[in-house]
Amino acid sequence: KAGVTQTPRYLIKTRGQQVTLSCSPISGHRSVSWYQQTPGQGLQFLFEYFSETQRNKGNFPGRFSGRQFSNSRSEMNVSTLELGDSALYLCASSRDRYGEQFFGPGTRLTVL
Amino acid sequence: KNEVEQSPQNLTAQEGEFITINCSYSVGISALHWLQQHPGGGIVSLFMLSSGKKKHGRLIATINIQEKHSSLHITASHPRDSAVYICAVRLEGGSQGNLIFGKGTKLSVKP
Repeated sequence: KAGVTQTPRYLIKTRGQQVTLSCSPISGHRSVSWYQQTPGQGLQFLFEYFSETQRNKGNFPGRFSGRQFSNSRSEMNVSTLELGDSALYLCASSRDRYGEQFFGPGTRLTVL
Repeated sequence: KNEVEQSPQNLTAQEGEFITINCSYSVGISALHWLQQHPGGGIVSLFMLSSGKKKHGRLIATINIQEKHSSLHITASHPRDSAVYICAVRLEGGSQGNLIFGKGTKLSVKP
């Protein structure tokens, strides 16, 4: 069974631009969560999606948004990029909302 | 004060030693996760537990709900165990979708 895949793996953007990251969960998993990891703050919860609905959102500004499609694939979007948005963005999928999470390899975003 | 505290922050051990990493939390939880992150970023889920004890190979995880404390033990440690170990708690109630993470314990096992 294929694992969680994330595209792209690396991304370089400049301040003010926007970016879209993609996550394909393990087949049969309906829950996708997104996390941001930085050296200073560690891992922080961004969003949780289940059945195409955002169920929970972490303490991030409105520039961070996401969605989930009917095939459970998910995208997250960051608009008006800031230097502080440079981070590793991880998604994780689980079969249901509260099960064991399986993480993707992450997308490393650098904002210049 | 962070809601999830791990100790120690850094740990160096000799191959073969018994290792313990601790996690304390201050919120009501529905489950606790132990994660392993190798250099390069990949995260692997080691355990998810809500009570008692779980064992997988040389790894053992325990949780005491009353004391709000969990431990991860590694027996007969090996250099390949070198990684960052992260404790994460899933909140109870309406915010169950949220995971709150500890800062991680960086483990280095020397041959």
